[in-house]
Amino acid sequence: DGGITQSPKYLFRKEGQNVTLSCEQNLNHDAMYWYRQDPGQGLRLIYYSQIVNDFQKGDIAEGYSVSREKKESFPLTVTSAQKNPTAFYLCASSPTYASAPSQHFGDGTRLSIL
Amino acid sequence: GEDVEQSLFLSVREGDSSVINCTYTDSSSTYLYWYKQEPGAGLQLLTYIFSNMDMKQDQRLTVLLNKKDKHLSLRIADTQTGDSAIYFCAEIFSGGYNKLIFGAGTRLAVHP
Repeated sequence: DGGITQSPKYLFRKEGQNVTLSCEQNLNHDAMYWYRQDPGQGLRLIYYSQIVNDFQKGDIAEGYSVSREKKESFPLTVTSAQKNPTAFYLCASSPTYASAPSQHFGDGTRLSIL
Repeated sequence: GEDVEQSLFLSVREGDSSVINCTYTDSSSTYLYWYKQEPGAGLQLLTYIFSNMDMKQDQRLTVLLNKKDKHLSLRIADTQTGDSAIYFCAEIFSGGYNKLIFGAGTRLAVHP
């Protein structure tokens, strides 16, 4: 079945450590997105990529980095510069050209600080 | 500016209709969406409406769009306990790259 797979489901970060969240899709979508969700808030866009080897900062990119070397994969690294990383992280993808450009989401990764 | 607002909580009795409301600011948005999020899960697309439509019905779901007031609503008929979740309204950013602007979500609680 086509979909988006995020791993791991739960992740713990130590002080000063970088951690990488995985996102893989087999929907053949060109565009991919990373969002951060905090309790009682909507989703905020961290980074997005419309095509392989290209990505752009979203609204809250500081302390995060991404790469897009393959169409299927869009990993997110939470660096030690992100001082408040505890949140639920959601990856999404969408076709670039579609009659209704809706985004499809993975099941998320919950990141906590040790 | 970009902003989407929703009330945070709604409680309904099983079998009643639920109406979740949303206001948005970008009058150039071409599409508006409703997503559902169950505990610990990602977002599931429920339905969407094109900006030139006033209403869209899909089984138990009815979406109403008032472009003049920039108001969107989602009505769930015959609400069931399985409908308990957080519902997000989102508009597509008219500035491009299919960016979605989300509301904070409405938590729907369905009780017997």
